[in-house]
Amino acid sequence: EAGVAQSPRYKIIEKRQSVAFWCNPISGHATLYWYQQILGQGPKLLIQFQNNGVVDDSQLPKDRFSAERLKGVDSTLKIQPAKLEDSAVYLCASSSPGQTNYGYTFGSGTRLTVV
Amino acid sequence: LAKTTQPISMDSYEGQEVNITCSHNNIATNDYITWYQQFPSQGPRFIIQGYKTKVTNEVASLFIPADRKSSTLSLPRVSLSDTAVYYCLVGLVTGGGNKLTFGTGTQLKVEL
Repeated sequence: EAGVAQSPRYKIIEKRQSVAFWCNPISGHATLYWYQQILGQGPKLLIQFQNNGVVDDSQLPKDRFSAERLKGVDSTLKIQPAKLEDSAVYLCASSSPGQTNYGYTFGSGTRLTVV
Repeated sequence: LAKTTQPISMDSYEGQEVNITCSHNNIATNDYITWYQQFPSQGPRFIIQGYKTKVTNEVASLFIPADRKSSTLSLPRVSLSDTAVYYCLVGLVTGGGNKLTFGTGTQLKVEL
């Protein structure tokens, strides 16, 4: 089966600019997650969707970050305006009750550099 | 969410068995233990998951003692390609709605 697709692979922007990341989960996976991974740290959950509804966005900096999953399939994460500390890899993952291991499947991520 | 503690780094040589131990003293009754592997420039990849005793798959074994306050990931005969960060996670698994929290992981370096 196809994996979790993310684009772009890399992005360099200046601070105060805006940026958007796209994720297409594995077909049929109802749950979608966005993680932020700063260099040298483990991934940190930003937001979790179940179909097109938000389950958990408690760690999403809502003053600058937004995310949507309008049709319950692909998702977009936006940062506006970006700060230097937003430099990180943004990982998308999906999961499904049908998975035998109940694990997540991650995409390769988008590496964001804010200069 | 149960907090986990694992070594920051480990070194090994090709062909050796590597055991990475994770401490999770506050594990709850319904929590599962899950291990992920992450290579540079890639997302984490599921390795193995267990609840108690021993679980084995084609990649690794997971040993969980009766009190479940720790777990050990065992990688048999490692190779250079096993150099990666390994994360131990503990959390409630609800089949698609689970919430797993990553720590800083263990950087395993395998040398010739």
